[in-house]
Amino acid sequence: DAKTTQPTSMDCAEGRAANLPCNHSTISGNEYVYWYRQIHSQGPQYIIHGLKNNETNEMASLIITEDRKSSTLILPHATLRDTAVYYCIVRANAGGTSYGKLTFGQGTILTVHP
Amino acid sequence: GAVVSQHPSWVICKSGTSVKIECRSLDFQATTMFWYRQFPKQSLMLMATSNEGSKATYEQGVEKDKFLINHASLTLSTLTVTSAHPEDSSFYICSARDPTGGGGYTFGSGTRLTVV
Repeated sequence: DAKTTQPTSMDCAEGRAANLPCNHSTISGNEYVYWYRQIHSQGPQYIIHGLKNNETNEMASLIITEDRKSSTLILPHATLRDTAVYYCIVRANAGGTSYGKLTFGQGTILTVHP
Repeated sequence: GAVVSQHPSWVICKSGTSVKIECRSLDFQATTMFWYRQFPKQSLMLMATSNEGSKATYEQGVEKDKFLINHASLTLSTLTVTSAHPEDSSFYICSARDPTGGGGYTFGSGTRLTVV
């Protein structure tokens, strides 16, 4: 599986954009970038995923570099409820050694403060 | 969206007893489910892949005789921790692929197991 590297922790002021980086320099051509978050003592929650184009949904935006070696998750207007651990995961959607599995790294602890 | 229900949300048991945790896909069928374990301040660790109608696939280092997985129907997978010990105390989480598209996975709310 392709490995990901994320900062251990980040802070963000409420109402500001939170930009969470992720490095995945060994990503394969068929691997997608997924983002999940886990609020304390709950199961992870899916946020967004993408292959090579930038993606946006009601929760966040995902910016993937042209060489696909890194990406950034953007929460446009962070709230206190966005405080969580954010996981960046790469995984193939079909075939490949990472197909079907989600391998979690240590993630980034995002703290949104008033 | 797809919902995975996990039960119980927490359980306390005595050392040496067995505990069963259920994972149900409420509004979709899941031929494959995944079981994770998470210790305090650590990330999720995949334990095994549960396959409907066949044997589970365990990750390296996970004892299959201790963590029994049964996936007898398309909506239910169970994890039984046998002869539980205090070191088995952890947060257990199941997941299934979200069939609504996109390739994302939906997770249960987790089960906090405490072995005393």
